[in-house]
Amino acid sequence: DIQMTQSPSSVSASVGDRVTLTCRASQDIGTLLAWYQQKPGKAPKLLIYAASSLQSGVPSRFSGSGSGTDFTFTVSSLQPEDFATYYCQQANSFPRTFGQGTKVEIK
Amino acid sequence: QVQLVESGGGLVKPGGTLRLSCVASGFTFRDYYMSWIRQAPGKGLEWISDISSSGYTINYVDSVKGRFTLSRDNAKNSLYLQMSSLRVEDTAVYYCARVWGLDYMDVWGKGTTVTVSS
Repeated sequence: DIQMTQSPSSVSASVGDRVTLTCRASQDIGTLLAWYQQKPGKAPKLLIYAASSLQSGVPSRFSGSGSGTDFTFTVSSLQPEDFATYYCQQANSFPRTFGQGTKVEIK
Repeated sequence: QVQLVESGGGLVKPGGTLRLSCVASGFTFRDYYMSWIRQAPGKGLEWISDISSSGYTINYVDSVKGRFTLSRDNAKNSLYLQMSSLRVEDTAVYYCARVWGLDYMDVWGKGTTVTVSS
């Protein structure tokens, strides 16, 4: 199975900050990577697919980059509604696997 | 609007069985792969299974192989997860999700809670 490792596990930030999260795959997955946002008690929401493509309706302050084994997810200017947990997911092979998540908290 | 609604969760004893259902609306169900993802209390997301649009191809994570069976009824816009030999570690919120582009989960239900406890 492909292991997905996210860092950091949590980050404290303020509204307006630029925040960058990372996700590393245990083997080459090309650009078959997605990022999801999950708020407490809610289902996850797809934000980014194919490593860098913005899902329809998702604000442009969210972006993703990377290929192979190393990926980044950036929020250019953190908004109050962005405080949540973010997960990466690989789609290169089965079983699909998620990272352990990064919690973005209010500083 | 596009919607997935799960049902069937509950409290079950270890070794017991449970059947989860997911009803889709607002899109052409038969055109999409579908998936189940679970989340144990306070933990991250775990993909457990998906099924092709026809129902002929099904994938499972090793931890549920031989115990869980995924199926679908395209005439009823419904997805089913039959769970047997349940273990305490199967306790989780179970989400049904639409698979977009064969790779990513773009529509999620609100989840149904399964608790395995004696």
